[in-house]
Amino acid sequence: EAQVTQNPRYLITVTGKKLTVTCSQNMNHEYMSWYRQDPGLGLRQIYYSMNVEVTDKGDVPEGYKVSRKEKRNFPLILESPSPNQTSLYFCASSLKLDILAKNIQYFGAGTRLSVL
Amino acid sequence: QKEVEQNSGPLSVPEGAIASLNCTYSDRGSQSFFWYRQYSGKSPELIMFIYSNGDKEDGRFTAQLNKASQYVSLLIRDSQPSDSATYLCAVNLLSNFGNEKLTFGTGTRLTIIP
Repeated sequence: EAQVTQNPRYLITVTGKKLTVTCSQNMNHEYMSWYRQDPGLGLRQIYYSMNVEVTDKGDVPEGYKVSRKEKRNFPLILESPSPNQTSLYFCASSLKLDILAKNIQYFGAGTRLSVL
Repeated sequence: QKEVEQNSGPLSVPEGAIASLNCTYSDRGSQSFFWYRQYSGKSPELIMFIYSNGDKEDGRFTAQLNKASQYVSLLIRDSQPSDSATYLCAVNLLSNFGNEKLTFGTGTRLTIIP
């Protein structure tokens, strides 16, 4: 089954304790992205990756890191989490983000993070 | 001005009626547009995408695109209670680095009243 898998689904942590949210896709997609979703602010892109070893900042990258060492995996790293990073996080992937191609983004189930 | 704007709602529509959701975007060069549905606490799922001016129909859903006016809309015919959700408009915008990136509106919350 084609899917984007995020782990963990729920996470409660404390300020300053490093954490990693994993994302894996089994569709051989080139493009992967991380979003956070907050009430009233919608989905905002944190980082994206066009392919292996190619990553770029989205709209709200501060406080986050990513890496893309393998095509299927795109982990999100919070080196020193703070309470303002409490949010619902989604990973997404697509074959490629090409305006002329009928590619769509597939979303993971989400990770609800609380930073105390 | 926000890059992608939607009325946050809530929009209440009687069951069986037509629900009309609207979205405007700022980048005149945008060429691909998407509508996602999101149930509370769940991930967004794609309903429709449209690239050309005009209408595109898929079952009870019709996407409409008007590039000259920079708006895209979604019509839901014969609305059902299961259509109650938040609908996200997404637009491919050109980033500062020349890459296309998908930018989402804040969503419109739709409630279908039985």
